[in-house]
Amino acid sequence: RKEVEQDPGPFNVPEGATVAFNCTYSNSASQSFFWYRQDCRKEPKLLMSVYSSGNEDGRFTAQLNRASQYISLLIRDSKLSDSATYLCVVPSSNTGKLIFGQGTTLQVKP
Amino acid sequence: AAGVIQSPRHLIKEKRETATLKCYPIPRHDTVYWYQQGPGQDPQFLISFYEKMQSDKGSIPDRFSAQQFSDYHSELNMSSLELGDSALYFCASSLGSGGQPQHFGDGTRLSIL
Repeated sequence: RKEVEQDPGPFNVPEGATVAFNCTYSNSASQSFFWYRQDCRKEPKLLMSVYSSGNEDGRFTAQLNRASQYISLLIRDSKLSDSATYLCVVPSSNTGKLIFGQGTTLQVKP
Repeated sequence: AAGVIQSPRHLIKEKRETATLKCYPIPRHDTVYWYQQGPGQDPQFLISFYEKMQSDKGSIPDRFSAQQFSDYHSELNMSSLELGDSALYFCASSLGSGGQPQHFGDGTRLSIL
């Protein structure tokens, strides 16, 4: 079983839709969590950090459920520019190396 | 704001050649990580340095070595290159190594012919 698991999708949604991605992690000692966005052949870019129960930034909301070892990312009012791969990332508690989920692909259509 | 700088952006090599990838972290960041991303794969951790000392090692072949210099920049040296080494190589930096967010460079696309 991978340490960080995501549904790879793809998720095809119309503009304006609300879409949610789920992620599960195996290390119950993990303290911080990240969502990164990666466009094709580009570098991962930090979207949100989650340290407690959740975080909100504009149209993006991340929620953490420690009991279920589950993180979610909610995108409201989807834009065409939101089309990308969203990576659920958990740093190793010892050295901080990032452990990536396989990514969830989002395609927002007009 | 200054970002992580990697060079070169693209590199084409032949089998059994050597390559050196460079990474300049964000100013004042003391930790550097190297990741390899193959086509259709998620990034895989190779090696990291904190305050110029190796802090962790992942799935890095023995043919590869890396170091962090006194100015905190890092170099990844790759020898006896194989076709399977073709990938995107990302460097990321952070302030501290305790699970802080990492900021990635644009990557080096390495192609082995």
